[in-house]
Amino acid sequence: ETGVTQSPTHLIKTRGQQVTLRCSSQSGHNTVSWYQQALGQGPQFIFQYYREEENGRGNFPPRFSGLQFPNYSSELNVNALELDDSALYLCASTLAGGGYGYTFGSGTRLTVV
Amino acid sequence: QQQVKQSPQSLIVQKGGISIINCAYENTAFDYFPWYQQFPGKGPALLIAIRPDVSEKKEGRFTISFNKSAKQFSLHIMDSQPGDSATYFCAARGNDYKLSFGAGTTVTVRA
Repeated sequence: ETGVTQSPTHLIKTRGQQVTLRCSSQSGHNTVSWYQQALGQGPQFIFQYYREEENGRGNFPPRFSGLQFPNYSSELNVNALELDDSALYLCASTLAGGGYGYTFGSGTRLTVV
Repeated sequence: QQQVKQSPQSLIVQKGGISIINCAYENTAFDYFPWYQQFPGKGPALLIAIRPDVSEKKEGRFTISFNKSAKQFSLHIMDSQPGDSATYFCAARGNDYKLSFGAGTTVTVRA
């Protein structure tokens, strides 16, 4: 059983640029969520995808968008990067209706300069 | 608006001692309460979880105590070991699959 894998592990971008982060969900999981974790804080829910559609969103602006693919992998896209977007971005997967367990990846550390 | 409040922010315990972390919530729709352990540079890993119809759950040295009427739950780490030094997050989830996390507690176990 493979876990959740995220790429890249680290990324440095300039303010105003766009970034795409990638996530492969755990085998057997069909739901993917993305979280933003600022330094020294708990993860904050960005949004969730099930069956390739967004089915939940946290308090994040529209420049945060995502995709889920038929193989349940997912992308997080952030446009017009701001300095405050610097954070660890975590992907988590679970099986909808199969219990409540979430598996998190190790995250992508994004630094905006 | 933080839906789950966690305390303390940090704690130091001697090897073999007990670490206690407390969390409180307001949303009565929450029906799943996990605790996560996170090491530097890693994602959160599920440690133990409880449903509100159970008052206590124990797995090895980790115990969750749950008080539904007070809307509080806590994590007890017994016989703390240096390898337990990490940041611990409580979380809560309703039927929308969204996890709401506490702010975290950094635990340092002194040998």
